[in-house]
Amino acid sequence: QVALKESAPSRVKPTQTLTLTCTFSGFSLTTTGEGVGWIRQLPGKALDWLALIYWDDDKRFNPSLENRLTITKDTSKNQVVLSMTNVGHVDTGTYYCAHKLRFGEWVFDSWGQGILVTVSS
Amino acid sequence: QSVLTQPPSVSGAPGQRVAISCTGSSSNIGAGYDVHWYQHLPGTAPRLLIYGNNIRPSGVPDRFSGSQSGTSASLAITGLQAEDEGYYYCQSYDISPRGRVVFGGGTMVTVL
Repeated sequence: QVALKESAPSRVKPTQTLTLTCTFSGFSLTTTGEGVGWIRQLPGKALDWLALIYWDDDKRFNPSLENRLTITKDTSKNQVVLSMTNVGHVDTGTYYCAHKLRFGEWVFDSWGQGILVTVSS
Repeated sequence: QSVLTQPPSVSGAPGQRVAISCTGSSSNIGAGYDVHWYQHLPGTAPRLLIYGNNIRPSGVPDRFSGSQSGTSASLAITGLQAEDEGYYYCQSYDISPRGRVVFGGGTMVTVL
């Protein structure tokens, strides 16, 4: 059974880099077709896709945030790490990692509970 | 402003049917990309309800159904139950100006 859990500092200061870690189980990012994505929800707003990394290290980013994002994987730890540089108050929100349905179109079939990140000085 | 447009809210009495629309364009749904639906209840992780326009994952009740036509899609909930109250999001893929996953603005379903 697929499970994912996000971890991150609960508070980050403006201009700092936010590092989010997704620890997962029930699948391996060494298996063909597997992928893990990040999605966030800012207060009062809709879900917003951030990035995705595939088993073969192919990486995709939301073009609107691409210059601030880095995504990596550690297959030995079953973790995916998303870094977001130069955060501001507008980045305060809940961040989710999710498992991409293996093969086929872009759809996320399992999600973590999400983690609330506050950007504040 | 979301790329996919959903009504902000819909409501219905227990047992009734409600439908949520998701309107896109020629660069997403109209380009042939499938629509997927998620249920997001308060305090829980989003849950995949429908993928590939009309496919229910294992464990999703058949009260939930999806359809797609042209540049739009729809999620129907029949036999509305109190536990269905929450937000529902459609999602697809958009190719303009660059490829990206896109979500609708979300629809709050209220059970009267």
